[in-house]
Amino acid sequence: GAGVSQTPSNKVTEKGKYVELRCDPISGHTALYWYRQSLGQGPEFLIYFQGTGAADDSGLPNDRFFAVRPEGSVSTLKIQRTERGDSAVYLCASSPNPITDTQYFGPGTRLTVL
Amino acid sequence: SQQGEEDPQALSIQEGENATMNCSYKTSINNLQWYRQNSGRGLVHLILIRSNEREKHSGRLRVTLDTSKKSSSLLITASRAADTASYFCAFTGNQFYFGTGTSLTVIP
Repeated sequence: GAGVSQTPSNKVTEKGKYVELRCDPISGHTALYWYRQSLGQGPEFLIYFQGTGAADDSGLPNDRFFAVRPEGSVSTLKIQRTERGDSAVYLCASSPNPITDTQYFGPGTRLTVL
Repeated sequence: SQQGEEDPQALSIQEGENATMNCSYKTSINNLQWYRQNSGRGLVHLILIRSNEREKHSGRLRVTLDTSKKSSSLLITASRAADTASYFCAFTGNQFYFGTGTSLTVIP
């Protein structure tokens, strides 16, 4: 089947605006992860879902960041009052189960906050 | 906080040579994975080694894991120009962490 997909591939927004980033995991994968990657650095963990619930959201940098996965499939990462420092590539991954399984990554959404 | 580091940060070799990258981590882990990334997007999974394994092979890739030293290495044998990319280790403990990455350049 299809791999992990993310939309949009690129998003340019102005400081202070609200953005939503979408992730479609591989069908049947119960675990879904969000990461953020800045230029020249490794991905930084944000949050992961097991089914519909956020099993670990300790990586979210502050309360402007929020993610949902209401039906246990598609997930949306929401960023309020964006700041220039939020500019990065946001990566989504999914796996059949968390902890023990390989994570399969989407192509990412490049967010630029002007 | 940075939980994993890789060295070298950058590596340049001639095609046909072997490339070795090392990953050190601080936490207890369940497994360790290696990924490749081209152009800053799209991480591609290469290999997973579980905490009770010491060595694993996949094609031209060889991964070792030493949990007593909290380190892993990735060896790419007979490198090709197409292997040029950034390579990251990733490990699961209480959370999910990536290393700092090694940028590999294979010169044709």
